[in-house]
Amino acid sequence: EVQLVESGGGLVKPGGSLRLSCAASGFTFSNAWMSWVRQAPGKGLEWVGQIKSKTDGGTTDYAAPVKGRFTISRDDSRNTLYLQMNSLKTEDTAVYYCTTVRGIAAAWYFDLWGRDTLVTVSS
Amino acid sequence: SYELTQPPSLSVSPGQTASITCSGDKLGDRYASWYQQKPGQSPVLVIYQDNKRPSGIPERFSGSNSGNTATLTISGTQAMDEADYYCQAWDSSTAVFGGGTKLTVL
Repeated sequence: EVQLVESGGGLVKPGGSLRLSCAASGFTFSNAWMSWVRQAPGKGLEWVGQIKSKTDGGTTDYAAPVKGRFTISRDDSRNTLYLQMNSLKTEDTAVYYCTTVRGIAAAWYFDLWGRDTLVTVSS
Repeated sequence: SYELTQPPSLSVSPGQTASITCSGDKLGDRYASWYQQKPGQSPVLVIYQDNKRPSGIPERFSGSNSGNTATLTISGTQAMDEADYYCQAWDSSTAVFGGGTKLTVL
């Protein structure tokens, strides 16, 4: 079965850190571009960032609100995507989804979505 | 930064056609995707590259994109289509989502 399973969410104080994981199965993870998307309570979807496959350079891109604080990485041997979140702010409170990214240049889309994990930043 | 604008809500009667719009500067020069999200569930891709349907998405879902507006059309809307719908496009290497449209079927 093709699936993505996130974990690692929880309650953290402002200024703290948290690492999310996303375990992939049912497809060739090493070939996949991956992304994180978040959704604040009662709000819309917000893209966090993405990482390309190592074959395509393994580079990362980030949304402006998280750039310099969040880091996306991948372990292809474990079929796992990570999101390291540092210097967390209350506005980072959201459910976080990992997704696969498919398509061609400028025509990418988010194909498969995980179940989400909740991150709450509060004192 | 690039912005996509959607109407916050839309109501439609069962069996009627729902057209959800997404506006952005020269959006027609980019590719648009659409996602459906039902309460308590993860989003699901319903349209990609303007007008392509993923496997398993009913034929009543279609998309178009021209000028400054992309449109998701649901023909013969059913009660199960009641959900939030989000458009999405890329601005260079940054993904942008619209604010979402809550579709009510009543």
